[in-house]
Formats: sequence, structure tokens, C-alpha cells
Amino acid sequence: GQNIDQPTEMTATEGAIVQINCTYQTSGFNGLFWYQQHAGEAPTFLSYNVLDGLEEKGRFSSFLSRSKGYSYLLLKELQMKDSASYLCAPIINAGKSTFGDGTTLTVKP
Amino acid sequence: ETGVTQTPRHLVMGMTNKKSLKCEQHLGHNAMYWYKQSAKKPLELMFVYSLEERVENNSVPSRFSPECPNSSHLFLHLHTLQPEDSALYLCASSLTLTQGGNTIYFGEGSWLTVV
Repeated sequence: GQNIDQPTEMTATEGAIVQINCTYQTSGFNGLFWYQQHAGEAPTFLSYNVLDGLEEKGRFSSFLSRSKGYSYLLLKELQMKDSASYLCAPIINAGKSTFGDGTTLTVKP
Repeated sequence: ETGVTQTPRHLVMGMTNKKSLKCEQHLGHNAMYWYKQSAKKPLELMFVYSLEERVENNSVPSRFSPECPNSSHLFLHLHTLQPEDSALYLCASSLTLTQGGNTIYFGEGSWLTVV
């Protein structure tokens, strides 16, 4: 994606914690989404950050630092069903989300 | 039920065919999108409509032609496609353009195979 950087792949163990980082370089920044996408399925919304700090939602948390152009998605108590692609999507250019290439997370028993 | 419905779910077409993908959203949203997702590639934004007007066209070949007759419906007309156009085509909608955190809701996608 346009100046959006995420790791391509990550592997973690069931029950563990994993952090997926995203850095971006944009102008007209207006918030950032994280989406989850299972293979062969449409993306689904996970979180939205517009202010600096941590947003917690159950096992998933998302952090944003606007000054650093940095966000991360934190997944706790990993489950096998969390194996999916995680897409970082900053909102740029008058409200049009641009998606990163995604991070493929594999959760192993 | 996501509120965004796409038909057909699967489509196989020859390179000389003309077909259309249809998207309908039941969420009262004013912005609609077409995305393309090829195998192991990131989502590519193709077209954006806001209040039935096209606001984005990301250098998409003219063999793809969008149509938005009203805020609830979006079409993607396909003509003389190439095999490399085979992909998952995702329709999405949001309340307005995604400023202010308006979530994008995706349809289940239309799998297109060009033979």
C-alpha cells in the first residue's frame, strides 16, 4: 500500500500475546482503522483510532501515535481462529482509506 | 448478514463477454466503494462514490466501468477482460467517506475468473 509498512508474516502460539506494528507516511491524516481478513473472506472492522493512545476492545487493543506515524494492534490470549490477515488502513486524502499490504498471522497450538 | 450484498458470488467469463457485478447496501450509507483483491496482494481501491458521484478513480482500465444509479446500488460493468483481472471484487459502503471514523462495511465479494 501507499507508504504503509507492516510485517508480512508473523507466527505466535495459542494463548500468547502478539503485537502487529504499522507505520505510515501520509498527509491529511484523519484516523486509522485495523481490519481482520480471513482467507477468502471480506475484511471486517476491528478498531478505529483518531487520537493518540490505546483503545481496548476485549482481547484486541489498538494504539496510535500521530506524531510518529505509528500504530499497533495487540492481540491477547490468542486463539486458533485469530489466524488471519490484519490490515492497517490510515484515512488519508479526504476520507478515503488506503490499506496496507496486511500482516498474515499464523497461530500455532 | 453484513448489510452489503453482492451478486453474483462467483462468475466465470470469457475475454469477449460483457457482464456486471451488482452491489446493494441496506445500511443507509452515502459512500460506496469497489475494491479488487488479487491472490496474495493487498486490497486495491478501484472506485469511490459519494452521494452517487464518483470521487475516486485510481487509474483503473476502461474495461471496468462503474455505475451508481442511487446511493443504495453500485455496479461494476465488465467488458473484454484479461485473465489477470481474475480476482475477488469487494464492494463496500460507509456512512460518508471515512473521515471521522465511519467504518467501511464490506460485502462478501464476487469471485471473478476470466478464461
